[in-house]
Amino acid sequence: EADIYQTPRYLVIGTGKKITLECSQTMGHDKMYWYQQDPGMELHLIHYSYGVNSTEKGDLSSESTVSRIRTEHFPLTLESARPSHTSQYLCASRADRVQETQYFGPGTRLLVL
Amino acid sequence: KNQVEQSPQSLIILEGKNCTLQCNYTVSPFSNLRWYKQDTGRGPVSLTIMTFSENTKSNGRYTATLDADTKQSSLHITASQLSDSASYICVVSDRGSTLGRLYFGRGTQLTVWP
Repeated sequence: EADIYQTPRYLVIGTGKKITLECSQTMGHDKMYWYQQDPGMELHLIHYSYGVNSTEKGDLSSESTVSRIRTEHFPLTLESARPSHTSQYLCASRADRVQETQYFGPGTRLLVL
Repeated sequence: KNQVEQSPQSLIILEGKNCTLQCNYTVSPFSNLRWYKQDTGRGPVSLTIMTFSENTKSNGRYTATLDADTKQSSLHITASQLSDSASYICVVSDRGSTLGRLYFGRGTQLTVWP
């Protein structure tokens, strides 16, 4: 079982609210990722980080932002949630070695009304 | 067009039966291919990983094969159990990426009935 955690697991909020999805890992991994996954669809990379103070946008454009102040923590923030943000958000991390596996958190299911 | 295509999209089998899931990819240059299992409402968990030189890898009742020439992989599940019900995702990594970027298939949704 991977030591990567996400909170909350489920979130229902109204349009316009600011939300932060938490992700933390205790494996000391430098590389961390955020993915968005809709039902029946592939995972899309929205943000990634090589390490502390490093953040980059992924392949899928997202209105969310991320920060990496500590190695173990990689929160994702939506300043003003909209119904189009309804999705599942998965956090992952991996060690900085060749062929290393990405370990995924349990995900946060977000519903914006 | 997605660079990783999986078939079938969904599959229903009876408990105890075997099944085979398919994955075709166009990712290049190829580094490795992983099969992940994703239970409903959970994150994906890695089952197997194969590099260019490997053509088969087993993990218990799961056996993955890879044909790097035809860019095809399969995941064979033997003597299925109810707990095998999940989405099985084929994930390919390219060799040129220091990010370790992954290309995901849409998954095959497997349902095992008693």
